[in-house]
Amino acid sequence: EVQLVESGGGLVQPGGSLRLSCAASGFPFSSYWMTWVRQAPGKGLEWVANIKQDGSEKYYVDSVKGRFTISRDNANKSLYLQMNSLRAEDTALYYCARGGRDSSWTGLYFWGQGTLVTVSS
Amino acid sequence: DIQMTQSPSSLSASVGDRVTITCRASQSISSYLNWYQQKPGIAPKLLIYAASSLQSGVPSRFSGSGSGTDFTLTISSLQPEDFATYYCQQSYSTPPYTFGQGTKLEIK
Repeated sequence: EVQLVESGGGLVQPGGSLRLSCAASGFPFSSYWMTWVRQAPGKGLEWVANIKQDGSEKYYVDSVKGRFTISRDNANKSLYLQMNSLRAEDTALYYCARGGRDSSWTGLYFWGQGTLVTVSS
Repeated sequence: DIQMTQSPSSLSASVGDRVTITCRASQSISSYLNWYQQKPGIAPKLLIYAASSLQSGVPSRFSGSGSGTDFTLTISSLQPEDFATYYCQQSYSTPPYTFGQGTKLEIK
């Protein structure tokens, strides 16, 4: 059974940093692109970043470029999101998600339960 | 970046109704269009991928159509469990793979 379990969320002050983790199980982690999607309270979904199987390609939404870094550890089947210079508008539930081997065609059909990040003084 | 615009933003309908939600891309995205359903407090669920392919396990009352810039999600006969928020997402070419703003489907 595929499982994606996020952790690392919490309350952080503006300008602070946080590192999110996503522990994957039930599938060959190193064979799939992985994605972070976030949802601000009461708002819609926002695609944040994704990373290729070997980590050689990484993409970000403009609003987090230069502040967030996506990475992965295939040996430990884990996905990460290092978030620096956090702003109030980064407050959201952050989901880890996976699609098929070509997730640009298959969409995202496995999702974690999310981890909540709150940026506030 | 490619912008996705859904309409309407909200919709009231009754059980048994046929419902259509529209999504428009700011440029051609071929058939790289996905539809998701989200209920409060739960992660999104993929309904349709590649514009018209039904995800495994999704009821056949859901269907998708379109290509290029204009797409539709149709629910042929609304069931009580279908009242939720629906999002389109483009996954064309280089990311970011943007979502539409969502359509909230409510009971009339």
